[in-house]
Amino acid sequence: LAKTTQPISMDSYEGQEVNITCSHNNIATNDYITWYQQFPSQGPRFIIQGYKTKVTNEVASLFIPADRKSSTLSLPRVSLSDTAVYYCLVGWMDSSYKLIFGSGTRLLVRP
Amino acid sequence: EAGVTQFPSHSVIEKGQTVTLRCDPISGHDNLYWYRRVMGKEIKFLLHFVKESKQDESGMPNNRFLAERTGGTYSTLKVQPAELEDSGVYFCASSPRDFNTGELFFGEGSRLTVL
Repeated sequence: LAKTTQPISMDSYEGQEVNITCSHNNIATNDYITWYQQFPSQGPRFIIQGYKTKVTNEVASLFIPADRKSSTLSLPRVSLSDTAVYYCLVGWMDSSYKLIFGSGTRLLVRP
Repeated sequence: EAGVTQFPSHSVIEKGQTVTLRCDPISGHDNLYWYRRVMGKEIKFLLHFVKESKQDESGMPNNRFLAERTGGTYSTLKVQPAELEDSGVYFCASSPRDFNTGELFFGEGSRLTVL
């Protein structure tokens, strides 16, 4: 399974757009890219998933270049409540989908 | 609709004792997963049930851990005997049978402290 690399931490201010980039050089053809968010004392929460190009939902956008060796999670106009750890995961979609969590990116949103 | 629920939220036991963690997945979800984060480490996969069958238990650390899902509803994870290194947070997650969105629904976790 592909290993991911993402920044350990990021700081931002309320109202800004935050882009968190994840590197996954060894991504396989069948791999999907998934992002989760985790608040303290809670389980991870699914944010978005994509395979290629751009995916957008009500909370975030995911940009994936053609070579798929990286991906960028974009959070528009963050608020204090977006302070959390964000995980980038790469894995294949089948009946035994195992999530491989890395260290994640700790995002701190300041007033 | 209720989410994934886990019990207990926190358990403190002594080394050598037994602890049983319980997970109630979202109703109708055939897939159930156990993960854990031990102190300072990353969240790691333990095993995966499809209904009552163990689909993948490659992440189970050793034979002191026993997971069951009788009847394909709730699941239990028993640690016997518990060791100090078992301390951490145990997460349960579930997903529907047609797992085509990549979304796992996680519970809030059961924190285990072994003294």
